[in-house]
Amino acid sequence: GAVVSQHPSWVICKSGTSVKIECRSLDFQATTMFWYRQFPKQSLMLMATSNEGSKATYEQGVEKDKFLINHASLTLSTLTVTSAHPEDSSFYICSARATGEEQYFGPGTRLTVT
Amino acid sequence: RKEVEQDPGPFNVPEGATVAFNCTYSNSASQSFFWYRQDCRKEPKLLMSVYSSGNEDGRFTAQLNRASQYISLLIRDSKLSDSATYLCVAGGGSYIPTFGRGTSLIVHP
Repeated sequence: GAVVSQHPSWVICKSGTSVKIECRSLDFQATTMFWYRQFPKQSLMLMATSNEGSKATYEQGVEKDKFLINHASLTLSTLTVTSAHPEDSSFYICSARATGEEQYFGPGTRLTVT
Repeated sequence: RKEVEQDPGPFNVPEGATVAFNCTYSNSASQSFFWYRQDCRKEPKLLMSVYSSGNEDGRFTAQLNRASQYISLLIRDSKLSDSATYLCVAGGGSYIPTFGRGTSLIVHP
């Protein structure tokens, strides 16, 4: 299957700081990238959908000013968690979709805010 | 009502058993369906797509029932390595893919 990378794989930051997570499709061009969040024992919750060159579409309840998404190219999308708080601690996963319907997931980023 | 519902389990089965999971979806406009496997603290990995005519890949068989709006996954001859959480997804077209909460499978010796 297609390969999607995420960086960093885990990060610990202090409350009030910002964290940037990168999502890259390594061997294909992703027309759409998705950002999910998963709390322990919970399902994947879609945060936003990102199409290259356009603004991200955020799901209800997700603050766009807090979770900044940039999809500058067909192989890179970034999620910046601004002014992080302990309740933002979670597993953040991106996925990328080319022309088909299958999504390929990155390995995830575990964020811990102290 | 959740858009995609799964029995969270866990399903606890012995090696060699056959086990089946169902997943219901509420959006009748859904066109694409998938099963993903997620191991603990790892990202989901695509297991198989679900076609109208059904799909079989080795020990795994997926079925779609549009009339009743559910998809199923059958695992035959369970292995210890099949222990994981199985997520179903409904989506397609302009409909954003929606994940079920996942069904936990534990295969024991």
